[in-house]
Amino acid sequence: ELKVEQNPLFLSMQEGKNYTIYCNYSTTSDRLYWYRQDPGKSLESLFVLLSNGAVKQEGRLMASLDTKARLSTLHITAAVHDLSATYFCAVDSRDFGNEKLTFGTGTRLTIIP
Amino acid sequence: ETGVTQSPTHLIKTRGQQVTLRCSSQSGHNTVSWYQQALGQGPQFIFQYYREEENGRGNFPPRFSGLQFPNYSSELNVNALELDDSALYLCASSSKTGVPEAFFGQGTRLTVV
Repeated sequence: ELKVEQNPLFLSMQEGKNYTIYCNYSTTSDRLYWYRQDPGKSLESLFVLLSNGAVKQEGRLMASLDTKARLSTLHITAAVHDLSATYFCAVDSRDFGNEKLTFGTGTRLTIIP
Repeated sequence: ETGVTQSPTHLIKTRGQQVTLRCSSQSGHNTVSWYQQALGQGPQFIFQYYREEENGRGNFPPRFSGLQFPNYSSELNVNALELDDSALYLCASSSKTGVPEAFFGQGTRLTVV
């Protein structure tokens, strides 16, 4: 059974600081997704990572994928209050089938002014 | 906005009743997946429909069933509702061609009392 673990589960950080969220998964996959969810809202797609070594950046967020280590990271640079949300990674395992995502538990990020 | 629309946005049902949730997929997408997100947790895969047939199912009992129509829209039906069925139900549309990415609707918040 595919397992996806994120850490930390909760993260409170000051504006202007840098931090990294980690996503580990238990089976072979070369498709990993990062989503953002605001309270009571749906999932907003942030990044699609489709190969080993993939790195994508959008504003203050950068995501990377290491398929050999089964690890993805979401790095936050110089955090601002607008980044407060819950972040999920999700893995698309070919063993399970395409676009059938297994999600991590989420990281609730709070940016303190 | 993703172009994926769900209805209704909120719903309150009594234990033992039946409910139908609806999803219109994004233009050009032929695959619809349904997810259940309990409060404070990550979404869990219920099932996927591709070309009007079920194409994979998660760990959910048979009282969760679905349909996909020729226009690729989809329904999720839940019979004999239980209190634990209270959750945000998310629909995601994708295509089996092009970039493998799922786009989520705004969700239906179901409360079972």
